[in-house]
Amino acid sequence: KAGVTQTPRYLIKTRGQQVTLSCSPISGHRSVSWYQQTPGQGLQFLFEYFSETQRNKGNFPGRFSGRQFSNSRSEMNVSTLELGDSALYLCASSLALAGPYEQYFGPGTRLTVT
Amino acid sequence: DAKTTQPTSMDCAEGRAANLPCNHSTISGNEYVYWYRQIHSQGPQYIIHGLKNNETNEMASLIITEDRKSSTLILPHATLRDTAVYYCIVRVGTNQAGTALIFGKGTTLSVSS
Repeated sequence: KAGVTQTPRYLIKTRGQQVTLSCSPISGHRSVSWYQQTPGQGLQFLFEYFSETQRNKGNFPGRFSGRQFSNSRSEMNVSTLELGDSALYLCASSLALAGPYEQYFGPGTRLTVT
Repeated sequence: DAKTTQPTSMDCAEGRAANLPCNHSTISGNEYVYWYRQIHSQGPQYIIHGLKNNETNEMASLIITEDRKSSTLILPHATLRDTAVYYCIVRVGTNQAGTALIFGKGTTLSVSS
């Protein structure tokens, strides 16, 4: 079974621009979560989607948004990029929202803001 | 904030067992203990999880104390490829709270030959 895929793997953007990252979950998984990883703050939860609805949200500004499609694929968008948004963005999928299901992570998208 | 406490770093000789401790003294009855690891710049990898019984899979064993306030991840025969940051996470697993993981700083395990 194919794992979680994320595109693109690397991205360079300029401050003030916006960016869209894509995530395809493991087949059959319906929950998709996004995380940001930086050297200073470590791994931080951004938000989680299930059945095309945002179910949980971390402590990030409104510039960070996401959505989920009917096939469970998800995108996240960051508007008005700041230098501090440079990070590894990770997507994870899980079978369902409730239950002790583990999450499986993708390889991440490395975003550099200049 | 993370609800677990782990040592910052540990060393292990190749071929020996690596025992990684985790303290979760405020764990609730419906919270599971999960272990993940992250090899440099890759996405975290799921290892194992448990509620109160000891668990074993092809990667590792998880030993949870009877009072559930601490646990130990055991890699039975560590190899150089096991060098990574290991995260111990507690999470509710029985309701609609979602699957979000709250990561702490983890333990950096260095395996040397």
